[in-house]
Amino acid sequence: EPEVTQTPSHQVTQMGQEVILRCVPISNHLYFYWYRQILGQKVEFLVSFYNNEISEKSEIFDDQFSVERPDGSNFTLKIRSTKLEDSAMYFCASSPLAGGSTGELFFGEGSRLTVL
Amino acid sequence: GESVGLHLPTLSVQEGDNSIINCAYSNSASDYFIWYKQESGKGPQFIIDIRSNMDKRQGQRVTVLLNKTVKHLSLQIAATQPGDSAVYFCAEGGGADGLTFGKGTHLIIQP
Repeated sequence: EPEVTQTPSHQVTQMGQEVILRCVPISNHLYFYWYRQILGQKVEFLVSFYNNEISEKSEIFDDQFSVERPDGSNFTLKIRSTKLEDSAMYFCASSPLAGGSTGELFFGEGSRLTVL
Repeated sequence: GESVGLHLPTLSVQEGDNSIINCAYSNSASDYFIWYKQESGKGPQFIIDIRSNMDKRQGQRVTVLLNKTVKHLSLQIAATQPGDSAVYFCAEGGGADGLTFGKGTHLIIQP
């Protein structure tokens, strides 16, 4: 069964360092998302991406964040200068249709980011 | 502001019993709702969805009920099994911005 894959599974970084989280969405999907989940809390929307551009972004997704689809398979989330409060699990998701149409977003296993 | 939220953070049920997990939403314009299951250390996994033109939808061992009058959503799991232990999130379909998740209910299965 096709799945969304994410790397790394866990990254530890120093505050102020740049981090890139990588995702390989399901190959025939068109919509891509990043969500984050702070430990013990709900899953929060960060950004959606379609047709090589950002569709929507939340207030969490400030200038320190960026996304890119550098080739036909990868979808990356970059945090330019990490802060302690960026520590969370980051989930990539993809969908064949807009998430509000079908709801069935396929999530990866997540990348845990720990900022020290 | 509008939100999707869950009534209880933890629900403990006996194995074999039915489980009912509840969710309240505040956006009366919401027309699409989804239940996700998240096992420890994993990403959310789609369980079942429902549109606002329905009040009930059934899947395999799961049923979602929607009461638009009181803006309430529930997930019923029949004959709960140990593998059902997880955090369950309701979510509202939000168009291009994907989903708005509620806080989650941790379902614990007692042997």
